[in-house]
Amino acid sequence: QVQLQESGPGLVNPSETLSLTCTVSGGSVSSGSYHWSWIRQPPGKGLEWVGYVFYTGSTNYNPSLKSRVSMSRDTSKNQFSLRLTSVTAADTAVYYCARTRDSSGWYRVDSWGQGALVTVSS
Amino acid sequence: DIQMTQSPSSVSASVGDRVTITCRASQDVNSWLAWYQQKQGKAPKVLIYASSTLQSGVPSRFSGSGSGTDFTLTIHSLQPEDFATYYCQQTNAFPWTFGQGTKVEIK
Repeated sequence: QVQLQESGPGLVNPSETLSLTCTVSGGSVSSGSYHWSWIRQPPGKGLEWVGYVFYTGSTNYNPSLKSRVSMSRDTSKNQFSLRLTSVTAADTAVYYCARTRDSSGWYRVDSWGQGALVTVSS
Repeated sequence: DIQMTQSPSSVSASVGDRVTITCRASQDVNSWLAWYQQKQGKAPKVLIYASSTLQSGVPSRFSGSGSGTDFTLTIHSLQPEDFATYYCQQTNAFPWTFGQGTKVEIK
């Protein structure tokens, strides 16, 4: 059973960079058929897909964030990471790392971390 | 972006009731539609993918249907543990987008 765990600062100053890492256990970020994703949820609101890093290392980002977001993976540590630059209060959210499974092109997020609340405030 | 609109935004129901939630896409997403359940303070959990395929381990009282732009999630006999918020998600086109959520509350 794969498990994911987010880690990183819970408070970020406006205009600075949000950085989160997801540690994966019980599975490998190099395994085929998976997209390693970040999804966020502002307090009391709905879900927003941020992007993913594919098992090959390629990435795909939400265009609404594309100029500010980057993702990467570290196969030696079995981790993947999110960086979001120039943050504002609108980036305050619970950030979930997650595994998106691809079964012959049928996608679904089948494993989630517990979520990390990141607050943007001075 | 493809907009996903769920209705109703909330529904009050009793244990044993049948509950139907609708999700409408702003353009054709074929059957690239998943449903998630989220309980307060917890991460979402996938229920249905490919519009109608039940995720392993999910009770059979959950079912999904639809294709194109109109989709439905049905809970056939509501159980106490089903009170939660439900989201649809399209994965037909980037960026993948979610509906705004439907909260199922106790009547």
